[in-house]
Amino acid sequence: QSMLTQPPSVSGAPGQKVTISCSGSSSNIGAGYDVHWYQHLPGTAPKLLIHGDINRPSGVPDRFSGSKSGTSASLAITGLQAEDEADYYCQSYDSRLSAYVFGTGTKVNVL
Amino acid sequence: QVQLVQSGAEVKKPGASLKVSCKASGYTFTSYGITWVRQAPGQGLEWMGWISTYNGKANYAQRLQGRVTMTTDTPTSTAYMELRSLRSDDTAIYYCARVPAYYYYMDDWGKGTTVTVTS
Repeated sequence: QSMLTQPPSVSGAPGQKVTISCSGSSSNIGAGYDVHWYQHLPGTAPKLLIHGDINRPSGVPDRFSGSKSGTSASLAITGLQAEDEADYYCQSYDSRLSAYVFGTGTKVNVL
Repeated sequence: QVQLVQSGAEVKKPGASLKVSCKASGYTFTSYGITWVRQAPGQGLEWMGWISTYNGKANYAQRLQGRVTMTTDTPTSTAYMELRSLRSDDTAIYYCARVPAYYYYMDDWGKGTTVTVTS
């Protein structure tokens, strides 16, 4: 059972900016646990986009950025490209469950 | 480069058991943990559990407690996930992923193993 809530979908035209929210609680994001983001294309392995709230692994374009405040986090994609059309998941750790938790997932549509 | 190579697709009957392997290469196996994540058709990612490759300690998702066992074999750098008493809703793609020590995120993933549970 997911403890992190994301919007089902967001859309934007090429070149625009989209933002995906990730809402948690006092036992995960609000407790100070890091938030991480993954990009998932159907039929492929998920790819780490952001770790530790704001850090991009090498090779991830700087069009992707993360932020966190209180019990929520966000992923922003600027200069949207057709190849960004995918599912995006936030992920953190929950101390009450003693478990990793994923967000509900957000489908990014490039118009 | 880091590789996590998973075993092939499986078709199982309800009530049967499943064991998926994940062979790691390109890094020191015992320096990273392994998690297992699954995605059922049309659903999101679900964390199944984590295992320390250093000491074999495992932590499982509550809803799978009693049905899942994760193990590792250090000499072959291979992690295993066994799921018992399979049900139709265990039909999913199962992924293994590497977890840096002292962190709670997955930095490299296997390509996934498709498991179908059907009578």
